[in-house]
Amino acid sequence: KQEVTQIPAALSVPEGENLVLNCSFTDSAIYNLQWFRQDPGKGLTSLLLIQSSQREQTSGRLNASLDKSSGRSTLYIAASQPGDSATYLCAVSWGGGSEKLVFGKGTKLTVNP
Amino acid sequence: SAVISQKPSRDICQRGTSLTIQCQVDSQVTMMFWYRQQPGQSLTLIATANQGSEATYESGFVIDKFPISRPNLTFSTLTVSNMSPEDSSIYLCSVDSGSREAFFGQGTRLTVV
Repeated sequence: KQEVTQIPAALSVPEGENLVLNCSFTDSAIYNLQWFRQDPGKGLTSLLLIQSSQREQTSGRLNASLDKSSGRSTLYIAASQPGDSATYLCAVSWGGGSEKLVFGKGTKLTVNP
Repeated sequence: SAVISQKPSRDICQRGTSLTIQCQVDSQVTMMFWYRQQPGQSLTLIATANQGSEATYESGFVIDKFPISRPNLTFSTLTVSNMSPEDSSIYLCSVDSGSREAFFGQGTRLTVV
């Protein structure tokens, strides 16, 4: 069964800290992996998309890496800010295109001023 | 990227009634997807909607409970029928913009009383 797991479920850090969120997946034959941000009661905002042929993607203070052989991805957030507080979701597609994304349960991040 | 508008953003409904959720995209897309996020849980795909054909439902979801329309390449509706409190969730519309990146609407927060 194709599953996505995120650890930790929740994380609280002081402002300015660098942090890493983890995502693991069964079945290394992924098509792509996407990280999202979700604010309370809201929809999802796409942060980074990593294709199966890529090792990492960067956007501003965010860097996502992908290691298919070990079934893992990490989202690195540099110099965290209170505005980064949200739930971060990892989603994997095993098919062509982005159909049927399988989501992890997310990591709820709180950045304290 | 794609801009997705969902209506309504939230609703409180009586059990036994039905609610139709609308999803409008600012560009033509082949596939549209409907997800459910139950309280405290991650997202689960309900069905995939292609224009001009019947929607494809995931295991555990049936057309009688979640009928979907896809009249053109920019619009879809999801109806939650004969609602019960267990249907209280956030329902999200998603598209693949063609760049193999998934984009989501802001979601519809449904409470059934």
